[in-house]
Amino acid sequence: GNSVTQMEGPVTLSEEAFLTINCTYTATGYPSLFWYVQYPGEGLQLLLKATKADDKGSNKGFEATYRKETTSFHLEKGSVQVSDSAVYFCALSASPNFGNEKLTFGTGTRLTIIP
Amino acid sequence: GAVVSQHPSWVICKSGTSVKIECRSLDFQATTMFWYRQFPKQSLMLMATSNEGSKATYEQGVEKDKFLINHASLTLSTLTVTSAHPEDSSFYICSASGTATMNTEAFFGQGTRLTVV
Repeated sequence: GNSVTQMEGPVTLSEEAFLTINCTYTATGYPSLFWYVQYPGEGLQLLLKATKADDKGSNKGFEATYRKETTSFHLEKGSVQVSDSAVYFCALSASPNFGNEKLTFGTGTRLTIIP
Repeated sequence: GAVVSQHPSWVICKSGTSVKIECRSLDFQATTMFWYRQFPKQSLMLMATSNEGSKATYEQGVEKDKFLINHASLTLSTLTVTSAHPEDSSFYICSASGTATMNTEAFFGQGTRLTVV
């Protein structure tokens, strides 16, 4: 079956540091890949997505590229801010229209940015 | 964006009692709702999928009689943990999809942390 392996946390960085959170997946076919973010006391929010190989998802300065050859979807940001402190989840779906599809999640990575 | 509200955010209950968790779509009609569970240091795992007016479809290994899901309206789904035991302590989170984005995306509630003592 499908699975997602995510870099374990917690991760603590200084403001303006470079961020990478690793994510690799196992899936049959051609899944769609997602990064979700959960801020304290809030629900998971879709941060970015990529629906086919070599696609790059980007939002709020975060980027992730769908690498089929390495089955990876690593999250990166060039200069983090305190407001980026949150829990980040990598996930996949069998379909790009994932409203009716279940998502397979990684374990989540807690990121803390210190001023 | 579409908002999904989950209540309560946390609950502590005694072993043997039942607990109900609500998941509401506040500004759209949710034709499909998903319930996930997360144990410490593990992934969010899908428990069941429910479509409004239909019986929920449970994932393999999830006890239907223990985790009762009701999706009686287009804005509300409930998860009732019956005869809760300490091993049911977990983080439960719902997501909903529907008219907001023509079912192309699901939106998540903030989750409920259940502790059974």
